[in-house]
Amino acid sequence: EVQLVQSGAEVKKPGESLKISCKGSGYSFNIHWIAWVRQMPGKGLEWMGIIYPGDSDTRYSPSFQGQVTISADESISTAYLQWNSLKASDTAIYYCARQARYSTGWDAFDIWGQGTMVTVSS
Amino acid sequence: QSVLTQPPSASGTPGQRVTISCSGSSSNIGSEAVNWYQQLPGTAPKLLIYTDNQRPSGVPDRFSGSKSGTSASLAISGLQSEDEADFYCAAWDDSLNAYVFGTGTKVTVL
Repeated sequence: EVQLVQSGAEVKKPGESLKISCKGSGYSFNIHWIAWVRQMPGKGLEWMGIIYPGDSDTRYSPSFQGQVTISADESISTAYLQWNSLKASDTAIYYCARQARYSTGWDAFDIWGQGTMVTVSS
Repeated sequence: QSVLTQPPSASGTPGQRVTISCSGSSSNIGSEAVNWYQQLPGTAPKLLIYTDNQRPSGVPDRFSGSKSGTSASLAISGLQSEDEADFYCAAWDDSLNAYVFGTGTKVTVL
């Protein structure tokens, strides 16, 4: 079964660092881009950025550039999302999603992780 | 503040047809493929429609997508209670150099 399994919920204090993970299985992890998507409480979906595990080519949304770091370790089929100094406004559910190329020649996020809830509170 | 605008809500009775609009611009919908995602309460999003009007395997043909110019639409025919969810359109934006999601539409089955 093709799936993405994310790490568990986190509760952190402002200023702390955090790295959450997204492990792929059932497919060739290194040949599909992996995106990260934020969903703040009661709000919509926001694309944060994307990484190609095969060569770690990474693109960031201008809104998240410099705020987070996306990385991947293809040897263990895992992508990561990292913060150096969390803020209360980082409280959200974070999803990873696999990008697939369809026969139409266009891409879409076809497989999603279950989400990781990150709570930042003093 | 998303660049893809959707109505905040839509509703219908079982069996009815509901349509959700997604308004964008020439830098996104007008030049890129549109995808639609369904998010059932408390769950991760799921791909519903890709490349404007294509259904992934397993998605009922009650769901259909269309696009014209800088707008796209998702139609749900034969509305069912299990269709209650949030729906998001999405596309790459050439100007922002980022993938953008719509503002989201909550569908309620009356």
